Amino acid sequence: GQQLNQSPQSMFIQEGEDVSMNCTSSSIFNTWLWYKQDPGEGPVLLIALYKAGELTSNGRLTAQFGITRKDSFLNISASIPSDVGIYFCAGLDPESNSNSGYALNFGKGTSLLVTP
Amino acid sequence: NAGVMQNPRHLVRRRGQEARLRCSPMKGHSHVYWYRQLPEEGLKFMVYLQKENIIDESGMPKERFSAEFPKEGPSILRIQQVVRGDSAAYFCASSPGTELREKLFFGSGTQLSVL
Repeated sequence: GQQLNQSPQSMFIQEGEDVSMNCTSSSIFNTWLWYKQDPGEGPVLLIALYKAGELTSNGRLTAQFGITRKDSFLNISASIPSDVGIYFCAGLDPESNSNSGYALNFGKGTSLLVTP
Repeated sequence: NAGVMQNPRHLVRRRGQEARLRCSPMKGHSHVYWYRQLPEEGLKFMVYLQKENIIDESGMPKERFSAEFPKEGPSILRIQQVVRGDSAAYFCASSPGTELREKLFFGSGTQLSVL
């Protein structure tokens, strides 16, 4: 599968600050997903993006599907301690087998630490 | 509505033993996926199954690994003759289908440790 590059690798911020992270790929994707993973748990879907240019919000989270279809960003406003975790982007490769369902490509994650 | 259930949560095996990981999808979901996560890495796709069929196993190692999703019962990921490099978190996910906006839900994973 295609490699997704996430940055930054980690972030250490104070409660109340805004956070921005992004994900890039050398090839296009037709679906971008953002997940959060808590320690010892599986990823939980935060936001799904299906169309280039799409901007979607979920509470304090906002994500956009880049126009080039090769990138996406996730913003978290007014961070709180429970935002701590690892944030993964994932993409669905349009070149993959049409029968491959959700054979997602994941980035390596952005680790977020929030201090009170 | 129970989520995706995986068991065991933790599994310890010695080199050469077999590991069997189980996954019960969410009620009403007939599509199951297995992913592997190494420390400080993202999840890597292994295999996609529907009831009694393997649809895509392009991410599965060619030897020692197999998966099934029988008509009745959970999906099983089986690793024979485990080696230390098999130590990882194995996540199962399910979805009702593959149409856009049909979401993928993950279980809490099985942490496999090979001694």
